[in-house]
Order: sequence, then C-alpha cells, then structure tokens
Amino acid sequence: EAAVTQSPRNKVAVTGGKVTLSCNQTNNHNNMYWYRQDTGHGLRLIHYSYGAGSTEKGDIPDGYKASRPSQENFSLILELATPSQTSVYFCASGDQGAGDTQYFGPGTRLLVL
Amino acid sequence: QQKVQQSPESLIVPEGGMASLNCTSSDRNVDYFWWYRQHSGKSPKMLMSIFSNGEKEEGRFTVHLNKASLHTSLHIRDSQPSDSALYLCAASGPGNTGKLIFGLGTTLQVQP
Repeated sequence: EAAVTQSPRNKVAVTGGKVTLSCNQTNNHNNMYWYRQDTGHGLRLIHYSYGAGSTEKGDIPDGYKASRPSQENFSLILELATPSQTSVYFCASGDQGAGDTQYFGPGTRLLVL
Repeated sequence: QQKVQQSPESLIVPEGGMASLNCTSSDRNVDYFWWYRQHSGKSPKMLMSIFSNGEKEEGRFTVHLNKASLHTSLHIRDSQPSDSALYLCAASGPGNTGKLIFGLGTTLQVQP
C-alpha cells in the first residue's frame, strides 16, 4: 500500500501564529491532497496538487496556502492561524486518473489556542 | 447539500450480524465509487472500490453498484467488533482528474 507520512502528528499553535504541516509520499503519485475533518462536516478538500510546482484550490481554501516543491512533498501553510482552524488534517496521494484510489497519511491534530 | 449522501448516519448491529450501508450520488458526473473505513483516531483506509454495475465480494464484504441510480451499498456479513468504525463513501468521475467527493459517513457499532 502507498506510504504517506505527515509531520507533525500533533501541534498546538497560538492565534495569529504561522503553522506549516508537511506531507511526504514515496510512491511517485502525481496528485496530492490536503483535507480537514470535522464532526458534522466530513472530509473537506482544502488544496490539491497535480505535480511539483502546481497547487489548486479545493472547496475551502480560505486561510490556507499550499506548496508542492517536489513530487514527494506537499505542505499546508496557515499564515495566521485562527481557532476555527482547529481540526484534524489529512494528506492523501493518488494518481490522476478518475478511477485512481487516494491513500491517506496518519493525520495531524492541530489545536489553535 | 452533500453531493454524496450516506445512510443511515449510524448503525448498531450484533456481533455476527449483517450490516448494510447505503450511498447515493446526486452528481450525475460520477462513474467510480469507493468505500473507505476509518477507525477512531485513525486515517481513512480504502476498503473496496467498484466501477461497474453489479456486485463485488471480498471476504465478508460485498459492494453493489447501480450506475443508473448512482447508488452503491456495502454489506458486511458476520460483523465483528473490529468492524466498528466510520464508513465513508467516495465518488469520482471522468472530469475529476483524481479528486474524490466524500459523503459524511455511517458510524457502525458492532456489539459483542
């Protein structure tokens, strides 16, 4: 199965601070995704990427930036963290075909105080 | 309005029983469906996928797909306490280039 890792696994941040969540995949997948998961809202897509150098806005991009410096790495950046961004964040990777499975990392629990 | 609707929201079945979960897409531009399982505190793991009309069986798990109604169902026979989890349905179509549309999920509890 595809290997996707995330760091940190847990993070406490202060309101107004900058937070960077990192994701690495070793399966040479073209696509990478950032989701957040909240009770009552399910998995919501924040940003995604089709390959190194590309980032696209998902369904809830406001307050987030993304960076894809290489095929393996995809970062999610919260420039000015707010308490409403407290959530569990999942990174996933997959190929570009419509029938291609997405593989998820273990998740990062972010608490913004 | 969720484009992928799952029902029921939650389900309790006895150990050894059958669990049946449903999922329907209101987005007509989907052709592919997945079922993911997410245990508490863990990440979603792909359980089964189905892309053609009909049925697919893997061990205790069976999925059905009716493309005309964009409805898929997951059936778990001989349910075990370890099957207790959140089950997420996801859909994709030719124009989605890998993006998935997720439902809110069904929480399954298997009681010993």
